[in-house]
Amino acid sequence: AQTVTQSQPEMSVQEAETVTLSCTYDTSESNYYLFWYKQPPSRQMILVIRQEAYKQQNATENRFSVNFQKAAKSFSLKISDSQLGDTAMYFCAFMKGGGTSYGKLTFGQGTILTVHP
Amino acid sequence: SAVISQKPSRDICQRGTSLTIQCQVDSQVTMMFWYRQQPGQSLTLIATANQGSEATYESGFVIDKFPISRPNLTFSTLTVSNMSPEDSSIYLCSGSTSGNYNEQFFGPGTRLTVL
Repeated sequence: AQTVTQSQPEMSVQEAETVTLSCTYDTSESNYYLFWYKQPPSRQMILVIRQEAYKQQNATENRFSVNFQKAAKSFSLKISDSQLGDTAMYFCAFMKGGGTSYGKLTFGQGTILTVHP
Repeated sequence: SAVISQKPSRDICQRGTSLTIQCQVDSQVTMMFWYRQQPGQSLTLIATANQGSEATYESGFVIDKFPISRPNLTFSTLTVSNMSPEDSSIYLCSGSTSGNYNEQFFGPGTRLTVL
């Protein structure tokens, strides 16, 4: 079974600054995907960024980027130029790349990020 | 992409009753899932909703407590049966399309409070 661990229950950052959220995972799979989801107070889960395990290059989406360390099983999210709208709960998630578990997400505990003006 | 809606958005129910939550997708999705998010917690997968057949439940979840239907590729329901206060949670459905299972879309969730 896979496990996903987010060791930071809460983080805060000043507007326009950079913050990094940590995530580690444990799996024996070689083919998998990693995700960061954002859940604002509206409860709507929003996909922030996605990383395929077979890709060495770190994924980036505008102000969001990841540091994917496959050997260390680490997958951190960096948010640059933080904005007030980034305030949300952030979840790291794991998905197997195939088989009967394909499509099923395993989530970490979440990190509450607060962006201060 | 797909837009997913859920009904009701929230409800307050009495112990021992049942509630059926509906999930509607604006386009056909191959896979649909139901998750539970207990207060202040992460999301836990309840089951995979299979079209035209019985749902596939994760460990700790059973069909008698959480019966699921999926009559077509755009609609599913989750029933929370014989509710107790411990069932107070947010219930979310999600879907993904064939060939792109790694992109999963979520509904806004149903906040259930059991008294």
